[in-house]
Amino acid sequence: GAVVSQHPSRVICKSGTSVKIECRSLDFQATTMFWYRQFPKQSLMLMATSNEGSKATYEQGVEKDKFLINHASLTLSTLTVTSAHPEDSSFYICSARDLVGGEAYGYTFGSGTRLTVV
Amino acid sequence: DAKTTQPNSMESNEEEPVHLPCNHSTISGTDYIHWYRQLPSQGPEYVIHGLTSNVNNRMASLAIAEDRKSSTLILHRATLRDAAVYYCIPSGAGSYQLTFGKGTKLSVIP
Repeated sequence: GAVVSQHPSRVICKSGTSVKIECRSLDFQATTMFWYRQFPKQSLMLMATSNEGSKATYEQGVEKDKFLINHASLTLSTLTVTSAHPEDSSFYICSARDLVGGEAYGYTFGSGTRLTVV
Repeated sequence: DAKTTQPNSMESNEEEPVHLPCNHSTISGTDYIHWYRQLPSQGPEYVIHGLTSNVNNRMASLAIAEDRKSSTLILHRATLRDAAVYYCIPSGAGSYQLTFGKGTKLSVIP
């Protein structure tokens, strides 16, 4: 089945620094990838839709200059949290869908990245 | 996006069937009904999805009401590994964003 690999799984960074999270579709091509954020005991919230070769689409309230998304190839999207602050500490998750089979498959999610800003 | 209503929590005994309900009365005629589950500190995992007909796979069965305003995820024999938060999500065809609700937290009792 479709696999999405997300790295790192866990990162601790100092306040004010930047962190890059990678999301790769391993056995399929993904023109669109999705980035979610999940705070403790809450559900996943969509942050942005990453489109290969074009600008990402951000949800309302998500700062595009703070959460930089690059989707330079059909198998890789990156999320960079710039000038991270403690309130950015969260669980970040990416997702993509293999559409080769049409509607045969569901969405595949990465294993998530636990970001802690100290 | 269609709104969904799911029980906050449910309990099941191990090796017994579990029926997880979901109401999605505002679902669009072209929306598929997706089910995902999430274990603690992990990304969500695809369970099953369907459009109109009932669906079966190795993980579960999906029963969709004739008017499509509700659906039920059926785990035929619950195991401890099935303890998770289950999300029911109507979604358009193609690569379309998924909007997660609060889901149902399933506990499995040994």
